[in-house]
Amino acid sequence: DQQVKQNSPSLSVQEGRISILNCDYTNSMFDYFLWYKKYPAEGPTFLISISSIKDKNEDGRFTVFLNKSAKHLSLHIVPSQPGDSAVYFCAASSIIQGAQKLVFGQGTRLTINP
Amino acid sequence: DADVTQTPRNRITKTGKRIMLECSQTKGHDRMYWYRQDPGLGLRLIYYSFDVKDINKGEISDGYSVSRQAQAKFSLSLESAIPNQTALYFCATAKGGPDNEQFFGPGTRLTVL
Repeated sequence: DQQVKQNSPSLSVQEGRISILNCDYTNSMFDYFLWYKKYPAEGPTFLISISSIKDKNEDGRFTVFLNKSAKHLSLHIVPSQPGDSAVYFCAASSIIQGAQKLVFGQGTRLTINP
Repeated sequence: DADVTQTPRNRITKTGKRIMLECSQTKGHDRMYWYRQDPGLGLRLIYYSFDVKDINKGEISDGYSVSRQAQAKFSLSLESAIPNQTALYFCATAKGGPDNEQFFGPGTRLTVL
């Protein structure tokens, strides 16, 4: 069963507009949520995280919102830039079978059009 | 210089062959992980190690084995490769902070014919 889901495989946004990437989860024991960005032929790189006790975290153009009651988080990028075109993975952290682990979503490919 | 390196970057092999993927890190982290990425499935955990004497199975460990030769080195082996092990493989490290931020290598693209 997929504990972390990104239901949109792809998203296309005009340069300068807002990009919103969504992520849903099922396990209420997740204590941190992270977003990773991946370019082709490179490994994922950490973008931003949020603790489960907060509902918003902002870092420059990137803001993550957490709605615990809905078990939903979203990443907002504003304004979107061509360099933001990448695959974005949502990940959730928890103690699973006695060890701290990350569970990843399937990823969303974001394309920023000039 | 890259903090987490993986060799080889690309490998094509045949069914039944033994393959080793290597990972080295200069971040000084104790925790190391191996993941595979398949289209539409995200990253799935194969094995992880929290120190040199600690090896643990992840969610998809069947058909794989690992060796933690030193704090900085963590190798993944496919004893007898099969076509459904064709995937992108990532090594990652972590220092174990509250958010469990992990640092990934560039990946190895493995094709099993």
